[in-house]
Amino acid sequence: DAGVIQSPRHEVTEMGQEVTLRCKPISGHDYLFWYRQTMMRGLELLIYFNNNVPIDDSGMPEDRFSAKMPNASFSTLKIQPSEPRDSAVYFCASRQGAGSDTQYFGPGTRLTVL
Amino acid sequence: SQQGEEDPQALSIQEGENATMNCSYKTSINNLQWYRQNSGRGLVHLILIRSNEREKHSGRLRVTLDTSKKSSSLLITASRAADTASYFCATDARSNDYKLSFGAGTTVTVRA
Repeated sequence: DAGVIQSPRHEVTEMGQEVTLRCKPISGHDYLFWYRQTMMRGLELLIYFNNNVPIDDSGMPEDRFSAKMPNASFSTLKIQPSEPRDSAVYFCASRQGAGSDTQYFGPGTRLTVL
Repeated sequence: SQQGEEDPQALSIQEGENATMNCSYKTSINNLQWYRQNSGRGLVHLILIRSNEREKHSGRLRVTLDTSKKSSSLLITASRAADTASYFCATDARSNDYKLSFGAGTTVTVRA
């Protein structure tokens, strides 16, 4: 299995631009998580999905952030408009479901907003 | 919010030595997991210990859990240069289904 796939790996954009991060979870996994990692705040859960349905988005920092999961093999995290304080590494992780507690992380997208 | 907190923040040891790091948490948990993150990479699951377990082994890793003290420790024996990474504990709180709360991590440097 290829594991969790994220794209792009690096993104540099200017303040005010729209940014879209993409994630392909491991096939057969029912849960998908989006995290943000910064030096100041560590690893924060932004939102997670179960069977493509958003379950908890309480970690989404602002309305500028939105996430979708149109099907079991694809999810996006969008920031519009982006701000310098959004600069971070964004991770996607997936989990098989009930009975398995391990989350499998993608390599992350390093976002820099100038 | 981060429920788990690791101690120490950073650790530097010589190859072959043991590395011990601790994690404290605040609320009741279903299980506690340890993950490793190499520089510039995603997190990799190492080991999981359930709330009714006290100790668990996996290769050179030993994890203990003391639910009365709300703490866990991760021991890496006979460390290698490849063990250089950040290590995070993650708790699955009883009140938060399927959500993991990660600590700030312990950065371990193994000197050759």
